[in-house]
Amino acid sequence: NAGVTQTPKFQVLKTGQSMTLQCAQDMNHEYMSWYRQDPGMGLRLIHYSVGAGITDQGEVPNGYNVSRSTTEDFPLRLLSAAPSQTSVYFCASSYTGSSYNSPLHFGNGTRLTVT
Amino acid sequence: AQSVAQPEDQVNVAEGNPLTVKCTYSVSGNPYLFWYVQYPNRGLQFLLKYITGDNLVKGSYGFEAEFNKSQTSFHLKKPSALVSDSALYFCAVRDILRRGSSNTGKLIFGQGTTLQVKP
Repeated sequence: NAGVTQTPKFQVLKTGQSMTLQCAQDMNHEYMSWYRQDPGMGLRLIHYSVGAGITDQGEVPNGYNVSRSTTEDFPLRLLSAAPSQTSVYFCASSYTGSSYNSPLHFGNGTRLTVT
Repeated sequence: AQSVAQPEDQVNVAEGNPLTVKCTYSVSGNPYLFWYVQYPNRGLQFLLKYITGDNLVKGSYGFEAEFNKSQTSFHLKKPSALVSDSALYFCAVRDILRRGSSNTGKLIFGQGTTLQVKP
């Protein structure tokens, strides 16, 4: 199993450009989420999904869109990149259902720089 | 709302000495607590979790954590630190929300503590 796969690993954008960060998992996890990691701020939840066709906002959703058309994929779209979106982005997935004890599985991250 | 706090930005320990990385939590209801570790340029890796039961939880790489309900703490510990334990450690709590028949189960993270183990 590949686990959680994120592409690309690195990306540089100019202000105003758009792009999509890809995330795929092969563990049949219902729950998928996107976090951003910034120094001194830990990880902040951007968007999450509890299953195909269902998405919801996290703490910092502005400037980002998501969709969940399949169980495996959960892409994150930056609509119009801003320097404040310079960060490391992590995708994570887990089982849900009635269990709260399923740990998150993380991808290796996408390092995004917006100039 | 659920939250966790890690009061130390950095912990320094000599190799072979015991280590403790602190975490306190605030939850409504039963806490579902986790520890993760992040090595440079990698994603987070699960170490251990507390759901219910024994207050001392054992996890990966020789780590354990002590759950203390009265002090609302969930400190990460290891009896003898290794240089290879140097990394960024995150405490997290599961936010229990219900949407329809599913639980959203968002994971809320602390700010992280850098552990530096010196030879």
